[in-house]
This record gives sequence, structure tokens and C-alpha cells, in this order.
Amino acid sequence: AQSVTQLDSQVPVFEEAPVELRCNYSSSVSVYLFWYVQYPNQGLQLLLKYLSGSTLVESINGFEAEFNKSQTSFHLRKPSVHISDTAEYFCAVRPMGGATNKLIFGTGTLLAVQP
Amino acid sequence: SAVISQKPSRDICQRGTSLTIQCQVDSQVTMMFWYRQQPGQSLTLIATANQGSEATYESGFVIDKFPISRPNLTFSTLTVSNMSPEDSSIYLCSVELSYEQYFGPGTRLTVT
Repeated sequence: AQSVTQLDSQVPVFEEAPVELRCNYSSSVSVYLFWYVQYPNQGLQLLLKYLSGSTLVESINGFEAEFNKSQTSFHLRKPSVHISDTAEYFCAVRPMGGATNKLIFGTGTLLAVQP
Repeated sequence: SAVISQKPSRDICQRGTSLTIQCQVDSQVTMMFWYRQQPGQSLTLIATANQGSEATYESGFVIDKFPISRPNLTFSTLTVSNMSPEDSSIYLCSVELSYEQYFGPGTRLTVT
């Protein structure tokens, strides 16, 4: 079985400051890793993913995440946030192979960017 | 990528009634997924729907409460039956393409 832990339910940060949203997972098998973003009153959008290859992955809007296998982590970072980054961020894992394609989500982190 | 639409986008329903949510995808997919997002919480998978077979339900979800249809490779419905206020949630469908899951905009259900 898999589980995902997002320790911070809310992260307040000032505009243009750096931010890190933490994600740790537990799994007995290898997993694919994802970050999804949910803007207020909107659906879920894929922000970035790790499937294989380089452990550092980047999104088009300046976010990056690094897969650390030894620490079973996939933390999300941005060097300088904008007001428009205010949203709920969900970390998720999907087992590789096997009979199921389901995503297991963390509880989410609300990124609240203040002017 | 995949473009997913859901109907209705929101609804307010009376206790004891049922609501059917529709999910349409712009491409043919083998598996479709139905999730629930309760207020202020994360997403929980309800069931996986394969075309031509019975849906597979996760622990805590049963077919009598959440019957699912999957008549073809681009469409699925989820019915929330005999609703109670605890069913007030956002219901989302999703599909997987090349290991990425794409989500519909969700149906916001309020049960009074």
C-alpha cells in the first residue's frame, strides 16, 4: 500500500519570497510522483511529474521538484512566488506496474501568498 | 492531453434523492476514475470504471450507493444515491494517458 504525507496544511509567504512545500511518501513498490494544483473554485491541474530520468523536474511557471529516493521525498520549490500562485497543492503517487492505476493523494497544502 | 467535461457543474439536492453526474472525454480511454473531494479535504478514489466490465470500488464505497455506468470509451456516469448531507462534496472524473491523470472540472454537490 502507498501513503502520502504533506506535513504543512498551510504555508503563508510574502510575494517574491522563496517557498518549499514538503511531500513524503511511503510505498513497498516503486512509484511515479506528481504535484497537482487547484486554484480557487477550479479543477485539478497537473503541475509537474516524475516518471524516470533526471530527479529534478520543472514546470513552465517556475516550480521545480526533486525526487529523493533515499528520503522518499518529492518536495516542491519556487524561488520567487507571485500572488497568482495562491492555490491548494496536492502531492500524489501512482504505483509502477501492477493492476491499478489509481493515484494516492496527500492532504494538500494551501499556499497563501501575501503582498 | 485530454479534455474532460462534466455535467452538472453544481447542484443542490434534497436528502433522499439521487443525482447522476456525467463525464465526457475527448478521446477514447480504457480506464476512467471517479474521485470525491469533501470540503477542505483531499481527493479519495471512489471507483475505477473500465468499458465493458463492472466498476471496481475502493474500500468504503459500494455499488448500491455509487452505481457507475461505462457504456463506451469516452463516457461514464456516476450516480450518488439516497443522498445525505454527508455526500456534499466535489465529485471529479479523471482519465490516464501515458501515466498522467487528467481531471474534469468537478461537480459541486450540496445536499440539504
